[in-house]
Amino acid sequence: GAVVSQHPSWVICKSGTSVKIECRSLDFQATTMFWYRQFPKQSLMLMATSNEGSKATYEQGVEKDKFLINHASLTLSTLTVTSAHPEDSSFYICSAARVLDQPQHFGDGTRLSIL
Amino acid sequence: KQEVTQIPAALSVPEGENLVLNCSFTDSAIYNLQWFRQDPGKGLTSLLLIQSSQREQTSGRLNASLDKSSGRSTLYIAASQPGDSATYLCAVNPSGSRLTFGEGTQLTVNP
Repeated sequence: GAVVSQHPSWVICKSGTSVKIECRSLDFQATTMFWYRQFPKQSLMLMATSNEGSKATYEQGVEKDKFLINHASLTLSTLTVTSAHPEDSSFYICSAARVLDQPQHFGDGTRLSIL
Repeated sequence: KQEVTQIPAALSVPEGENLVLNCSFTDSAIYNLQWFRQDPGKGLTSLLLIQSSQREQTSGRLNASLDKSSGRSTLYIAASQPGDSATYLCAVNPSGSRLTFGEGTQLTVNP
């Protein structure tokens, strides 16, 4: 199967802290990784698409300086929420695809709570 | 802009019932459509993927249909079980891997 691991699964931190979330494809190489945000009782909203070795493509309304994405290898992408504030509290989910037109495999998500 | 709508938003049924979840999308130019399951506080598990050229896909007690011209898909669950309780998400893929999700149907199967 295709396994995607996301870490940490849950984080609580103070306002103003920067938080890094990792997304790893464990048994396949992922050319493309996606980052989503999900608010309670709402669906997933795509934040950005990252391709290995190049800059991420952000969706309209997502601040690229706020949500830093790095996809330096074929098995790892990171999302850093910089200077996090309570309104950034959400469930963040990553997914990975072998190549752009292949199905996405999802991680288990990260619950981020900013106090 | 593609919009995906799922009806009903929530559904509660007794164990053993057959049920249908509905998904509609506004732009019929899709590459494929996928149904996912999400348990509380968890990521997504892919259930069925239907390519644009296909009419349906089956896996065990699940059957998904696709009518691209009318912008509709249904997920049929036979002989529902309490373990089927989860949120079911429909997602359409206009091209490549980009997905647009519906807001989901929260299913509760009561023992």
